[in-house]
Amino acid sequence: KQEVTQIPAALSVPEGENLVLNCSFTDSAIYNLQWFRQDPGKGLTSLLLIQSSQREQTSGRLNASLDKSSGRSTLYIAASQPGDSATYLCAVRPNSGGSNYKLTFGKGTLLTVNP
Amino acid sequence: GAGVSQSPRYKVAKRGQDVALRCDPISGHVSLFWYQQALGQGPEFLTYFQNEAQLDKSGLPSDRFFAERPEGSVSTLKIQRTQQEDSAVYLCASSLGSGRATGELFFGEGSRLTVL
Repeated sequence: KQEVTQIPAALSVPEGENLVLNCSFTDSAIYNLQWFRQDPGKGLTSLLLIQSSQREQTSGRLNASLDKSSGRSTLYIAASQPGDSATYLCAVRPNSGGSNYKLTFGKGTLLTVNP
Repeated sequence: GAGVSQSPRYKVAKRGQDVALRCDPISGHVSLFWYQQALGQGPEFLTYFQNEAQLDKSGLPSDRFFAERPEGSVSTLKIQRTQQEDSAVYLCASSLGSGRATGELFFGEGSRLTVL
């Protein structure tokens, strides 16, 4: 059974810092990996989606990398801003089996960027 | 609408009541998912629809949970005889593709259910 772990569970940084959020998964047979942002009381907003054949994806100040063989992904946020404060979740989709549409999520990293 | 819409946003129910949660997916999206998110946890899969067909309901916690999407667009998640452990945020998501080609998921803001 796929398990997704996110470290750290919470992170507090001063504005302007570059930071890295980590995601690991136990089964490397994934189809893709997706990073989401969740603001308090809100749904999930998709940030980046990395296919299993890709090594990284970039969007603005965000860069996500994927090392499928080692079961790891990182989300790099450059020049953090208070508006980046939210919970960041990663989720993986399996590559095989009949339920390859089903996402397995980590518990998330709660990020606080202090002005 | 432009995004996935869910209603009600907040629901308080007394233990034993029935509740119904509605999801309006993005127009034209084939796949629709329901996820349950307990406090401090990541979302967990409940059920999956491809158009009007419910292809997977393996994540539904008990037979008190029922979901439908009769015309392949709007979906309703119904919980009968609610229990305190049903308290959670229920998230709906849709995507353009299906199965292996499901692609990017777009989530609604969720329905927060509190059972007293």
